[in-house]
Amino acid sequence: EAQVTQNPRYLITVTGKKLTVTCSQNMNHEYMSWYRQDPGLGLRQIYYSMNVEVTDKGDVPEGYKVSRKEKRNFPLILESPSPNQTSLYFCASKPPLGQPYEQYFGPGTRLTVT
Amino acid sequence: AQSVAQPEDQVNVAEGNPLTVKCTYSVSGNPYLFWYVQYPNRGLQFLLKYITGDNLVKGSYGFEAEFNKSQTSFHLKKPSALVSDSALYFCAVIKGTGGFKTIFGAGTRLFVKA
Repeated sequence: EAQVTQNPRYLITVTGKKLTVTCSQNMNHEYMSWYRQDPGLGLRQIYYSMNVEVTDKGDVPEGYKVSRKEKRNFPLILESPSPNQTSLYFCASKPPLGQPYEQYFGPGTRLTVT
Repeated sequence: AQSVAQPEDQVNVAEGNPLTVKCTYSVSGNPYLFWYVQYPNRGLQFLLKYITGDNLVKGSYGFEAEFNKSQTSFHLKKPSALVSDSALYFCAVIKGTGGFKTIFGAGTRLFVKA
C-alpha cells in the first residue's frame, strides 16, 4: 500500500530534550515536506526537500532541523524543544517535480513539550 | 505575498442540502489550487485541484470546486451533503509547477446535521 508513515504518533517530552520524528514514504517520491498544524493557523510549512541532500526552509523553520540522506526518509529534528513547538506535525510527499501534483500526507504526530 | 483565506471557521448544513466552503487566494502568476479534507485523527487527504482548463473541477466523494479568476476564488461545493462529510477542509495554493512551497488556508470545519 502506498503510504507515508510517521513515528511516533504521540510524544510528550520536556523542554530541551532532543527528539526526532521520523517520516518515510514508499512511493519513490522526490519531494517531501514537514508541516505543523495549529488551531486557527492551518498548516504551515517547516522544511521541504526536493531530493536527496537538497533541503530548504519553509515559512516556520526556526527551532527545527531536517536531513534527507535517503529518498524515502525525511526526519524532523528538534534539538532543544520548547513549549511553543507543541503542535500537530505532518509529513507529506509528492511525485516528481515539474508538475503541480497533490501531496500525500502521513497520519500526523502530536507533540507536547512541557 | 501569497496567501489563502478561508473566511468561515465553521459551516453548518443539513444533510441533503447543498454545501459551499469558501476560499480566496492571492498569488502572482498562475495559481495552482487544491482542496484537502482532514477527518478526525487522520492526515490530510486530497480532494481535487485546479491547474488549468475548465473552471469547474470535479473531485472525490462528489465534491467539486469552481475557479473564478476575476474574484480570485476557489469555492468547494457539493450538491447534497452527507453526515459523513463532516470534517476539516483546507484550501491550498502553490506557485509554479515545481510547487516547492504550499500555502494553506486556516481551515473550515464542516458540520453536517442529520
